[in-house]
Amino acid sequence: QVQLQESGPGLVKPSGTLSLTCAISGGSIRSSNWWSWVRQPPGKRLEWIGEIHHSGNTNHNPSLKSRVTISVDKSKNQFSLKLSSVTAADTAVYYCAREMDGFNWGCFDYWGQGTLVTVSS
Amino acid sequence: EIVLTQSPGTLSLSPGERATLSCRARQTVNSNYLAWYQQKPGQAPRLLIYGASSRATGIPDRFSGSGSGTDFALTISRLEPEDFAVYYCQQYGNSRTFGQGTKVEIK
Repeated sequence: QVQLQESGPGLVKPSGTLSLTCAISGGSIRSSNWWSWVRQPPGKRLEWIGEIHHSGNTNHNPSLKSRVTISVDKSKNQFSLKLSSVTAADTAVYYCAREMDGFNWGCFDYWGQGTLVTVSS
Repeated sequence: EIVLTQSPGTLSLSPGERATLSCRARQTVNSNYLAWYQQKPGQAPRLLIYGASSRATGIPDRFSGSGSGTDFALTISRLEPEDFAVYYCQQYGNSRTFGQGTKVEIK
């Protein structure tokens, strides 16, 4: 059973950089799956941030692309998110998730429990 | 970006009743790449349906998905107490976007 666990600061100052890590257990980041970050602002819909493959290839939500960096650490079986120039609008629960393999790539079958990140001074 | 609109916003039903949730896209969802998720308070979303009509592993057969093109539906044939939650649709044929959710509450 694949398990994902997000970690990182719960409070980030405006204009700073949000940094989160997703540790994978019960599975390997070297699998053929893609790995994603999704966020949910309080009371709002889910928003896809971006994805990475263990090869290092990435794709991002165009609305966030210029601020997002997603990287992979194969030796630690984890992947990470950096979101720069944050504002209060970036306050959200951040989830990491695994995408289904093959034909249904883009659909999320395993999720972390989520971590709340608040942007405030 | 493909915008997904779910209706109704809230569905008030009793256990044992049938629930039908709608998800409409502003443009065609490629290859019916449409998924449904269930989310309970304080929990991550759980995948129910992918490919518009395929049940994910371990999902009871009272959950079914249908539709194509721009109009999709999730049906729960007989509501169990644990089914009262928020449901989201998601398309993954062109980037990935989510609907705003439908809350299924106990009447």
